[in-house]
Amino acid sequence: QKEVEQNSGPLSVPEGAIASLNCTYSDRGSQSFFWYRQYSGKSPELIMSIYSNGDKEDGRFTAQLNKASQYVSLLIRDSQPSDSATYLCAVSSKLIFGTGTRLQVFP
Amino acid sequence: KAGVTQTPRYLIKTRGQQVTLSCSPISGHRSVSWYQQTPGQGLQFLFEYFSETQRNKGNFPGRFSGRQFSNSRSEMNVSTLELGDSALYLCASSLGGRVQETQYFGPGTRLLVL
Repeated sequence: QKEVEQNSGPLSVPEGAIASLNCTYSDRGSQSFFWYRQYSGKSPELIMSIYSNGDKEDGRFTAQLNKASQYVSLLIRDSQPSDSATYLCAVSSKLIFGTGTRLQVFP
Repeated sequence: KAGVTQTPRYLIKTRGQQVTLSCSPISGHRSVSWYQQTPGQGLQFLFEYFSETQRNKGNFPGRFSGRQFSNSRSEMNVSTLELGDSALYLCASSLGGRVQETQYFGPGTRLLVL
C-alpha cells in the first residue's frame, strides 16, 4: 500500500461546479496535511494546510480532514478553467506526496 | 522577499557522469529539502538538511548525496548517472521547524540523462 494515495484522474468538471479531490494516507501518526497545486511545467505551490479534524476554508477552497478514516480532501467551489492543474496531497514532516490528481475544468 | 532559486534550470548529461545541483532558500529559512519528480513515480523525497546536517533521508541509493552550507544554501550531487535519473529535481525551503511547517518550492532543475 502506498503511503499517500490519490486518484490520478483526470477529473473533469464544468466551470462553476464543485471539484472534489480525495487523498488517503497510511500513517496514523501523521499530524500535518497539505494540498499543493502544480501547473504543467511549474513547481508545486501551497494551497491549503490542515492539522485538525474538520473543515478549513480559504476562499473557494475547503480542506477536510478525518484522521479516524485517514482521509483528507480538497473541495474547490465555483471551479474556473484556471484551476486546471495537478493537485498534490502531502502528508507530515517528510512531506510524503501522493502522485496527484489532474483536474480539468471545461468552460 | 526573493523566493527559492535553483541552478541550473536545465541540464543534459550522459550516463556515468555526475551532476551537482544548487538551491538557495528563502532568506531566513534554514531547512532545505530535495525531491525528485518523474511522471511515473510522482514527487519523491530525497533528503532534508537543517543547520548543515542531514535531518531526514528518503529511500534513494547512495549515489544521491547532498550538503548544506552555513548560509543555508544546499547542493545535491548525483554520481554515476543512470537513464532513470532523468527527472525534475525540486528543492523546497522552510523556516526549520518540524511538523506543521509550510515548504516553498523552487522552480526546479530539469535533468536529462542520455
